[in-house]
Amino acid sequence: KAGVTQTPRYLIKTRGQQVTLSCSPISGHRSVSWYQQTPGQGLQFLFEYFSETQRNKGNFPGRFSGRQFSNSRSEMNVSTLELGDSALYLCASSSLTSGGKQFFGPGTRLTVL
Amino acid sequence: DQQVKQNSPSLSVQEGRISILNCDYTNSMFDYFLWYKKYPAEGPTFLISISSIKDKNEDGRFTVFLNKSAKHLSLHIVPSQPGDSAVYFCAASDNNDMRFGAGTRLTVKP
Repeated sequence: KAGVTQTPRYLIKTRGQQVTLSCSPISGHRSVSWYQQTPGQGLQFLFEYFSETQRNKGNFPGRFSGRQFSNSRSEMNVSTLELGDSALYLCASSSLTSGGKQFFGPGTRLTVL
Repeated sequence: DQQVKQNSPSLSVQEGRISILNCDYTNSMFDYFLWYKKYPAEGPTFLISISSIKDKNEDGRFTVFLNKSAKHLSLHIVPSQPGDSAVYFCAASDNNDMRFGAGTRLTVKP
C-alpha cells in the first residue's frame, strides 16, 4: 500500500496570505489527523477528521480550518498567515484496524516571511 | 496544556550502551501509549506501543515500560546503534485523542 502523501512538501508565503495543504491517507484509512510541529513544542494536535466530519479539534485559532472529502483526502487551510505559523505540518491517517497507530506523511514545511 | 511531557530535549549515548528516554503524562484517562521515531525530512514512524493493562512491552532492542501510578513511561534501547539517532516522540491516547510530547533528540555516538 502507498503511504500517506502530502503536498506540497515545501511552501513559502508572506504574512497575511492564506495557504491550503493537502493530505492523501493510506488507502482504506478513514481517519486523518493534522499536527503542527515546531522546535521545542513537539507535535501539536490541530484536528481530526473521520468520514468527512471533524471529530476532534485542538487548541488553535479559527484561522486554522480543515475538511475531508468523500475519498478521505483532507485539506487544511490557514488564513491570514502569521510569522509564528512557520512550522512543519504533518498529516497522519489511521483505521479502526490499525490498533491505535497513526501513519504519518512526510509533512509540508511552511515558511512565512 | 501539555498533557504529555518529555523533559529532556536531547540525549547523547555511546554506541552499544543503553538509551533511556522518558515521558510523563497528566491525563489518567490515557490508556494507550506509543513511541514514534522521526528522522529529518521524514514524518514520524511508529516504533512500539503499550496498553495500560501492561507494564512492559518488548520488541527486539526496544522495550517500553509503563508506570501508571507515576504516570510515567520510558523507552529503553539496548544496545544503542548510530542509526538510532533521531528525534523520539512519545504519545498518549484515550481513544478520542492522541497527544504527543515535545520530543527528545537522541544522538548515538560511534
